Amino acid sequence: GAVVSQHPSRVICKSGTSVKIECRSLDFQATTMFWYRQFPKQSLMLMATSNEGSKATYEQGVEKDKFLINHASLTLSTLTVTSAHPEDSSFYICSAREASGDNEQFFGPGTRLTVL
Amino acid sequence: AQKITQTQPGMFVQEKEAVTLDCTYDTSDPSYGLFWYKQPSSGEMIFLIYQGSYDQQNATEGRYSLNFQKARKSANLVISASQLGDSAMYFCAMREGPYNFNKFYFGSGTKLNVKP
Repeated sequence: GAVVSQHPSRVICKSGTSVKIECRSLDFQATTMFWYRQFPKQSLMLMATSNEGSKATYEQGVEKDKFLINHASLTLSTLTVTSAHPEDSSFYICSAREASGDNEQFFGPGTRLTVL
Repeated sequence: AQKITQTQPGMFVQEKEAVTLDCTYDTSDPSYGLFWYKQPSSGEMIFLIYQGSYDQQNATEGRYSLNFQKARKSANLVISASQLGDSAMYFCAMREGPYNFNKFYFGSGTKLNVKP
């Protein structure tokens, strides 16, 4: 099956710093990638849809200046949490779909962000 | 209104028995897809099974089957012969629309515990 990687898997940072999370499709081209946020014992909340070569589409209530998304190539999307605060601590998961793929979206293993 | 509803926050099942996890959905789009994912404590999302809105037969994948009742808008997951390794969170999800880039909606999840 298709493989999606995320880096880093875990990051701890100080309040006020920016953190970049990478999402890569390893063996397929992904025209669309999705970024989710998951709080402990809760469901996945879609933050934004990232399309290669165009601006991301953010869900209502998600600050685009806070969560910068760049989908520069067909295999890489990045999420940058700018000026992180403790309330940004969460589990961030990306998913990707193949350009000519079937129905499924393939999930990365997630990144656990802790802001001190 | 919630797009996906999972009414069982937690379930217990005896090893080797079958268990049904409930999921109802809400959409007016005639074309949609229904998915079940498993999320163990490690956090990765593991795809289990898919059902398309136009599929006539219920989907099956090994020990997983999806009980699709379109008129009732339900898509329950049945796990037969439960194993200890099945203990995890289970999420029902819906892709609303026919396209690969249509976003997914996730339910709140069901925590399944398999007892030895």
